[in-house]
Amino acid sequence: QITLKESGPTLVKPTQTLTLTCTFSGFSLSTSGVGVGWIRQPPGKALEWLALIYWDDDKRYSPSLKSRLTITKDTSKNQVVLTMTNMDPVDTATYYCARTPRRVAGYFDYWGQGTLVTVSS
Amino acid sequence: EIVLTQSPGTLSLSPGERATLSCRASQSVSSSYLAWYQQKPGQAPRLLIYGASSRATGIPDRFSGSGSGTDFTLTISRLEPEDFAVYYCQQYGSSTRAYTFGQGTKLEIK
Repeated sequence: QITLKESGPTLVKPTQTLTLTCTFSGFSLSTSGVGVGWIRQPPGKALEWLALIYWDDDKRYSPSLKSRLTITKDTSKNQVVLTMTNMDPVDTATYYCARTPRRVAGYFDYWGQGTLVTVSS
Repeated sequence: EIVLTQSPGTLSLSPGERATLSCRASQSVSSSYLAWYQQKPGQAPRLLIYGASSRATGIPDRFSGSGSGTDFTLTISRLEPEDFAVYYCQQYGSSTRAYTFGQGTKLEIK
């Protein structure tokens, strides 16, 4: 059974750095092809892809947010961490992590439940 | 960057009817990299269709996807009460190695 779960602060102040952790089970990030990504969704709005890391440490970022994002993995802990710098109220959203089963699958087959992050002073 | 435009924004239908949702890309998308998701309030998205027309594991066969190039369609042949939700299309750019989502279509009960 594959599960993913996001954790991190529910409230951050403007200009602060957000650190979110995705802890997963049922698969390994040492398996060839597998990747874990982050997607966010502001309240009442559409989904927005942020970043993705593959089993071989290859990393991909949204072009519009690349300067603010860092994605890393800890294979031994089954975790992927996303950091986003210089948070702003417009970054208020539910943040999801999700798995892609292979490098060129082009989709996310398992998702976490999401964690709501509010940016406010 | 490829932009995905979904139409209509809201679709009002009754159970038992057929739903046709559209996703149009600003430039050609490989069919291999077009997916559809369903999202219900308070829940994470659920993968329905990948590769434009392949159903994900456990997805009923009333859901089908089609299309190529810049025009893709999600069809729900006969709506069940649990199908009323928001639907998103998503593409992966093999040259940009980036993912983009459409703005969503809300399927509501008429």
